[in-house]
Amino acid sequence: GENVEQHPSTLSVQEGDSAVIKCTYSDSASNYFPWYKQELGKGPQLIIDIRSNVGEKKDQRIAVTLNKTAKHFSLHITETQPEDSAVYFCAASIWNNDMRFGAGTRLTVKP
Amino acid sequence: NAGVTQTPKFQVLKTGQSMTLQCAQDMNHNSMYWYRQDPGMGLRLIYYSASEGTTDKGEVPNGYNVSRLNKREFSLRLESAAPSQTSVYFCASRVEIAKNIQYFGAGTRLSVL
Repeated sequence: GENVEQHPSTLSVQEGDSAVIKCTYSDSASNYFPWYKQELGKGPQLIIDIRSNVGEKKDQRIAVTLNKTAKHFSLHITETQPEDSAVYFCAASIWNNDMRFGAGTRLTVKP
Repeated sequence: NAGVTQTPKFQVLKTGQSMTLQCAQDMNHNSMYWYRQDPGMGLRLIYYSASEGTTDKGEVPNGYNVSRLNKREFSLRLESAAPSQTSVYFCASRVEIAKNIQYFGAGTRLSVL
């Protein structure tokens, strides 16, 4: 089955700096790669996703890149703000099948 | 529109006790899921239901049972709780049409002593 590895497990940045979280996946058939943000005491919430026919996707300060050949994808957050502090999860799935999640990255943005 | 609602939010059990975690969604989604979240391990799928009347095992189903009561409700039952089942449990439902987005509830924090 699919295996997703996520790095780093913790990340601390100064407000205004950029943050990058990286994930690798094992199943070359995976074609859907979402990123979820989990704030303290809440369930994960989708923030951005990308499909395998696209190499990059942006939404304001957030971007995701995908390298299908290397089987890795990354989340980029620019101009970080304290409210970006949360746990971020990557995931991978074959379309309409079940997702496998990475172990999570705890991002802390220092004011 | 409440989305995905889980009850209870917190629960403490003794080893061997049983309980049912409840989940309901009001988004008319066909698919529903139960995950557990443990430190350093992300979210692991316990069981899922692709549609009303069907259930399937996920990655870590041992020690759990599920019931898809109707399209809205999907419950998770621990028949004889063990300390290894101490975890945070999340229910999710999924949009199928053109998207694979899962919507999560706020979670149930379960401690088994």
